[in-house]
Amino acid sequence: QKEVEQNSGPLSVPEGAIASLNCTYSDRGSQSFFWYRQYSGKSPELIMFIYSNGDKEDGRFTAQLNKASQYVSLLIRDSQPSDSATYLCAVNISGGSYIPTFGRGTSLIVHP
Amino acid sequence: KAGVTQTPRYLIKTRGQQVTLSCSPISGHRSVSWYQQTPGQGLQFLFEYFSETQRNKGNFPGRFSGRQFSNSRSEMNVSTLELGDSALYLCASSMELGELFFGEGSRLTVL
Repeated sequence: QKEVEQNSGPLSVPEGAIASLNCTYSDRGSQSFFWYRQYSGKSPELIMFIYSNGDKEDGRFTAQLNKASQYVSLLIRDSQPSDSATYLCAVNISGGSYIPTFGRGTSLIVHP
Repeated sequence: KAGVTQTPRYLIKTRGQQVTLSCSPISGHRSVSWYQQTPGQGLQFLFEYFSETQRNKGNFPGRFSGRQFSNSRSEMNVSTLELGDSALYLCASSMELGELFFGEGSRLTVL
């Protein structure tokens, strides 16, 4: 069973802090990695994707990928209460399919 | 550019009934996939359609089916509804890069 694991949280951070969300995956052949944000009662929205080892920055968000250790992380700098949501990690497993496998998500709470 | 449109947004059915959900993808997106989301199981992949063909299928019973039309619009059908089918059903469209764009979902309650 190819799995994507996330700590369900909640992860609670103060406003202005860095929130660090982590995700591990079991399939060493995984090719592409995505982070989705889902507000309560809403559908997931794509916020970041990363394909290569290293860091990828987009505004206050940084995705980090380490294929050797099979983890991908999302850093949110200067966290705001509006960042409070569930963050879903998704991994495209190897085999040619573009269907991602989702983790169950980490709940993030940013308190003022 | 219009997003992914799902209808209906909310519906209530009773056990044994069937339901059909509709999804219109983003213009130009040929891949449409369906997911079931429940608090206990998270986001579970149902199936994916590309150019009117089912290209991938998840581990759901045959009561769950779908199709895609020539204009890329997709429908999914659940027959003989069970209480456990109560969930948020999400449709997502994509190009060939695996980046999914989700609709707002159809929330199904089975009584």
